[in-house]
Amino acid sequence: NAGVMQNPRHLVRRRGQEARLRCSPMKGHSHVYWYRQLPEEGLKFMVYLQKENIIDESGMPKERFSAEFPKEGPSILRIQQVVRGDSAAYFCASSPATVYGYTFGSGTRLTVV
Amino acid sequence: DAKTTQPNSMESNEEEPVHLPCNHSTISGTDYIHWYRQLPSQGPEYVIHGLTSNVNNRMASLAIAEDRKSSTLILHRATLRDAAVYYCILRDRTGSQGNLIFGKGTKLSVKP
Repeated sequence: NAGVMQNPRHLVRRRGQEARLRCSPMKGHSHVYWYRQLPEEGLKFMVYLQKENIIDESGMPKERFSAEFPKEGPSILRIQQVVRGDSAAYFCASSPATVYGYTFGSGTRLTVV
Repeated sequence: DAKTTQPNSMESNEEEPVHLPCNHSTISGTDYIHWYRQLPSQGPEYVIHGLTSNVNNRMASLAIAEDRKSSTLILHRATLRDAAVYYCILRDRTGSQGNLIFGKGTKLSVKP
């Protein structure tokens, strides 16, 4: 069992470019969660998805950020027109159901230059 | 959401036991107590969870007060690898709360 796979591990983007972060949940897990961690800060919830559905996006910024979890393939967190303040570690987690604990990936560290 | 209170930081010596406290005075009857930890530059990892009874696994033990308003994560013999931020989180067992809410946690330092 490969665990939760996130790629890339490190991503550098210039201001104004798009960033795409991928997350493959553990086998058998249909619930995916994205978190953001700014330098020296705690983990902040962004969005919770099940296959093809966004369940809770209360932590997502209103503009430039979007997430999807298609029927086939990984979950994608997309950030358009990145700004320096988007530089952070983005973690994905998965679970088989909401009553269970999460398994986290190793994260994608986004640096905007 | 029911909240938890943890000390900002704690120190321990290697190979000694560590008791990490967590207060959750507003816990509801359907809340599980979850513990996660985050090692430097890594994603959080699950440690243990419980409802009413004390729990043991290969990583740690969880001692839950009789009134459930507090709990203690016990690392029986701290190693340098246990240096991490430890998060105590309440999670509704019905699954109605979709996402885990992380607080600031306790930063544990382990001295050789």
